[in-house]
Amino acid sequence: EVQLVESGGGLVQPGGSLRLSCAASGFTFTTYWMSWVRQAPGKGLEWVANIKQDGSEKYYVDSVKGRFTIFRDNAKNSLYLQMNSLRAEDTAVYYCARDEASFDYWGQGTLVTVSS
Amino acid sequence: SYELTQPPSVSVSPGQTARITCSADALPKQFAYWYQQKPGQAPVLVIYKDSERPSGIPERFSGSSSGTTVTLTISGVQAEDEADYYCQSADSSGSGRVFGGGTKLTVL
Repeated sequence: EVQLVESGGGLVQPGGSLRLSCAASGFTFTTYWMSWVRQAPGKGLEWVANIKQDGSEKYYVDSVKGRFTIFRDNAKNSLYLQMNSLRAEDTAVYYCARDEASFDYWGQGTLVTVSS
Repeated sequence: SYELTQPPSVSVSPGQTARITCSADALPKQFAYWYQQKPGQAPVLVIYKDSERPSGIPERFSGSSSGTTVTLTISGVQAEDEADYYCQSADSSGSGRVFGGGTKLTVL
């Protein structure tokens, strides 16, 4: 059974940093692109970033370029999102998703709140 | 930037057919995907590559494509289909991803 379990969310002040983690199991992690998708409270889905199987290619939505970094550790079957210079508008539930052009499996999400 | 446009809301009575459209603002159009999201839950993929249905998704869900518009059709709508629906595609580079704004389906 495919499982994606996010962790690392919480309350952080504007300008602060946070690192999200996603533990993957039930599939061969090294053969899939992976993505982070977020959803602000009461709003729609927004794709944030994705990363190729070997980590050699990474893409970001314009609003997080230069502030967020996606990376993975294939030895640990884990995906990460390093978030720096956080803003109030980054407040959202962050989902980890398996990326096959579509997102066929999702985690349950972790809430990030940016507030003073 | 590449955008996908959906109607904010669609309402239908039980047993009727619901159609939710998603328009891309530019060519070439990439494949489209559809997700159902119920309150407090993660999204679920219901249609991939414009019209393919994943295993476990009821046959009443179908997808179609014409020009730069794709449509999710739910035939014989049931109360349990009330949810938010999102279309998604790749951006013009093919590497980034983009979502439509979402459509709230209300079953009257």
